[in-house]
Amino acid sequence: DAGITQSPRHKVTETGTPVTLRCHQTENHRYMYWYRQDPGHGLRLIHYSYGVKDTDKGEVSDGYSVSRSKTEDFLLTLESATSSQTSVYFCAISGSGTSGSNEQYFGPGTRLTVT
Amino acid sequence: QKEVEQNSGPLSVPEGAIASLNCTYSDRGSQSFFWYRQYSGKSPELIMFIYSNGDKEDGRFTAQLNKASQYVSLLIRDSQPSDSATYLCAVKQDRGSTLGRLYFGRGTQLTVWP
Repeated sequence: DAGITQSPRHKVTETGTPVTLRCHQTENHRYMYWYRQDPGHGLRLIHYSYGVKDTDKGEVSDGYSVSRSKTEDFLLTLESATSSQTSVYFCAISGSGTSGSNEQYFGPGTRLTVT
Repeated sequence: QKEVEQNSGPLSVPEGAIASLNCTYSDRGSQSFFWYRQYSGKSPELIMFIYSNGDKEDGRFTAQLNKASQYVSLLIRDSQPSDSATYLCAVKQDRGSTLGRLYFGRGTQLTVWP
């Protein structure tokens, strides 16, 4: 593994409750990403970060917010969870540099169920 | 919308055969191409990346890139049952506001039977 952990690994929550997922890396990589993976849709980017306090939206960002207060941690928050946010969430990291050195490595994932 | 299409599968091959996985992409600005393997219930694992036209070999895996045809493929020689997984193609555009972002295909499920 590329020194990436995610917590929690599994979570069941009720509709309307806030949920925060954590991604922690020990690689000192600049870029961090949150994806969700659903059957029939593949991996879709939610938000990403290109440095501390620097974040941007991905293609499915509605209902999600993120924060990155230090290099090693990237938090994904569902302000008010809905059943459509039931999914597997993956964090990924990549280093800085030229376009030839930007391979992404994935964490183990968090399986979230919203009831 | 940047699209990445993979052959729908599932693909089933006998042990020892060559498995061929294909991917096309819509954005001509794409410069970097990646293949991930994902076992059921696990996270994607990077197995190959290719940036230049032609072939790149790593053990039993060969990635092939043709930018003019907007086509990238992965060949697995001497397929083993342990290669049974879903293979994801990912494409990265290296300019503009999408710098660093990957676009994924939906994956091709491969089964290698003994």
